[in-house]
Amino acid sequence: ELKVEQNPLFLSMQEGKNYTIYCNYSTTSDRLYWYRQDPGKSLESLFVLLSNGAVKQEGRLMASLDTKARLSTLHITAAVHDLSATYFCAVDMSLDSNYQLIWGAGTKLIIKP
Amino acid sequence: GAGVSQTPSNKVTEKGKYVELRCDPISGHTALYWYRQSLGQGPEFLIYFQGTGAADDSGLPNDRFFAVRPEGSVSTLKIQRTERGDSAVYLCASSRIGRAGELFFGEGSRLTVL
Repeated sequence: ELKVEQNPLFLSMQEGKNYTIYCNYSTTSDRLYWYRQDPGKSLESLFVLLSNGAVKQEGRLMASLDTKARLSTLHITAAVHDLSATYFCAVDMSLDSNYQLIWGAGTKLIIKP
Repeated sequence: GAGVSQTPSNKVTEKGKYVELRCDPISGHTALYWYRQSLGQGPEFLIYFQGTGAADDSGLPNDRFFAVRPEGSVSTLKIQRTERGDSAVYLCASSRIGRAGELFFGEGSRLTVL
């Protein structure tokens, strides 16, 4: 069964702290995506990771991909309240030219002032 | 338009009724996707269009669900004989290329079946 597992599913942290969200997946893939979703809003693309060892950074967020370990991480540095949201990873499991993402359940992040 | 537009934003219907949900993708995006998201879960793939044709409809849960994209732009997701279990947010996304392309999502259509 194709699975994408995120942990933790819920994270409450103080401003200024660092933390990491993990995304494990169960089968070979070299394409992984991170999205952010605010309550009642749509999904906003954060990072597209397309190869083993890929690392991307935007502001206080950094994402990396290890295809051999089937693991991606989203690291938050010196968290600020505005980063409170639910973060999803999604893995492209398609075996041919079709496009099908399998999504994690999401990590709800609350950052307290 | 500037982004993916979905209508209606909210739809409340009674069990057994027919529902249509519309998606207007970003201009020039050839790939269009429908996903369904239940509360507290990640999106669930329904169908993918490349141009006018459904390239992958393996995520449609049963034959009550159908989607079209007759001119390769706007798409309509059609649900017949709605059931309470169909209640969810239906998300549409588009991308410039079909694979490894960044998806741009609309704000979704929240469907409630009473």
